[in-house]
Amino acid sequence: NAGVTQTPKFQVLKTGQSMTLQCAQDMNHNSMYWYRQDPGMGLRLIYYSASEGTTDKGEVPNGYNVSRLNKREFSLRLESAAPSQTSVYFCASSAGRGEKLFFGSGTQLSVL
Amino acid sequence: GENVEQHPSTLSVQEGDSAVIKCTYSDSASNYFPWYKQELGKGPQLIIDIRSNVGEKKDQRIAVTLNKTAKHFSLHITETQPEDSAVYFCAASRGGADGLTFGKGTHLIIQP
Repeated sequence: NAGVTQTPKFQVLKTGQSMTLQCAQDMNHNSMYWYRQDPGMGLRLIYYSASEGTTDKGEVPNGYNVSRLNKREFSLRLESAAPSQTSVYFCASSAGRGEKLFFGSGTQLSVL
Repeated sequence: GENVEQHPSTLSVQEGDSAVIKCTYSDSASNYFPWYKQELGKGPQLIIDIRSNVGEKKDQRIAVTLNKTAKHFSLHITETQPEDSAVYFCAASRGGADGLTFGKGTHLIIQP
């Protein structure tokens, strides 16, 4: 059972570079999410997609864009990376909003 | 919006003893309260959840209690084992279009 798959697992960027984090789920879930995790800050929602074709901002959306490519895939893009975006990023999915979340294994991103 | 406070931030217990982690929430309309366990280098994983129509739920060594009047809920782990060492997150949600709001996490350390 693959569940939620994220790529890459590790990435180092220079300030100003761009990159896309990929996420796919095989549980036929309607809702998908991107979180960032920083020490002492818990999990903060960046963007979510309640259903295919919709996306909405979460708590910390600045500097990010997302695309819900289809029901399975939800990508997160950093257009011009900044050191403040150094973090661990998690993708998650759920059957519906407010339902139990299933997380991927995370992407550790460092911006120098 | 919802605000979830989690205590303590770090908890160290002797192997075999019990551990209790507490969370308070602010929105009286919240009705879903999950707990997630995050092991080092992995994504959070749901370990138990409770809905507001019950006061307690148990699954082997893990139990969650909910006090709706006081707006707090707790995770209880009995007979702790080394594999219980991890970061634990509580969360709350009103369900429907609203998502989960997470606490900042508790680092549980099981001392041999």
